[in-house]
Amino acid sequence: RKEVEQDPGPFNVPEGATVAFNCTYSNSASQSFFWYRQDCRKEPKLLMSVYSSGNEDGRFTAQLNRASQYISLLIRDSKLSDSATYLCVVNREGGSYIPTFGRGTSLIVHP
Amino acid sequence: NAGVTQTPKFRVLKTGQSMTLLCAQDMNHEYMYWYRQDPGMGLRLIHYSVGEGTTAKGEVPDGYNVSRLKKQNFLLGLESAAPSQTSVYFCASSPLRFSGYNEQFFGPGTRLTVL
Repeated sequence: RKEVEQDPGPFNVPEGATVAFNCTYSNSASQSFFWYRQDCRKEPKLLMSVYSSGNEDGRFTAQLNRASQYISLLIRDSKLSDSATYLCVVNREGGSYIPTFGRGTSLIVHP
Repeated sequence: NAGVTQTPKFRVLKTGQSMTLLCAQDMNHEYMYWYRQDPGMGLRLIHYSVGEGTTAKGEVPDGYNVSRLKKQNFLLGLESAAPSQTSVYFCASSPLRFSGYNEQFFGPGTRLTVL
């Protein structure tokens, strides 16, 4: 089983739709969690950190479920500019919090 | 404030040639990382460093060496390039946070082709 798993998609949604992605992780010792966004042929950029209490930033909401070992990302009112690949990152504690990336979920928002 | 920069942006090598990729950051970050990204494989960690003078192996270290002689620089070396090392290489840096929430800042990437 891969350490961090994501549905690669693509998720093809119309503008204005709500879309949700999940990411599962296998290492129960994982300590910190993130969603990154990567545009085509560009570097990844931090979208949100994911805390135990969940967090929201505008149209984006992230949740963490430690019991079931998954994190989620909800995007409301999708925009064309949200089209990208969304990468789940899990840091496991090992003295220096080694990051493990999921393979990413592709989102395509169409008019 | 340039953030994380990578040199070169593109390179074509022949099998057996060597090269060094340079990563520099001006944010005084403790941690630095080298990744490779291949289609369908996501980002895989090659080597990382938790401070000046330290390095450690990641998930796919074979065929690569690294050095961090200065805090702001992290070098990735390919001693004898192979076609399997054709990839996009990303460098990243992150601050030291004891909470573990040390978000990474990435460079723009180096596109390497080995013929």
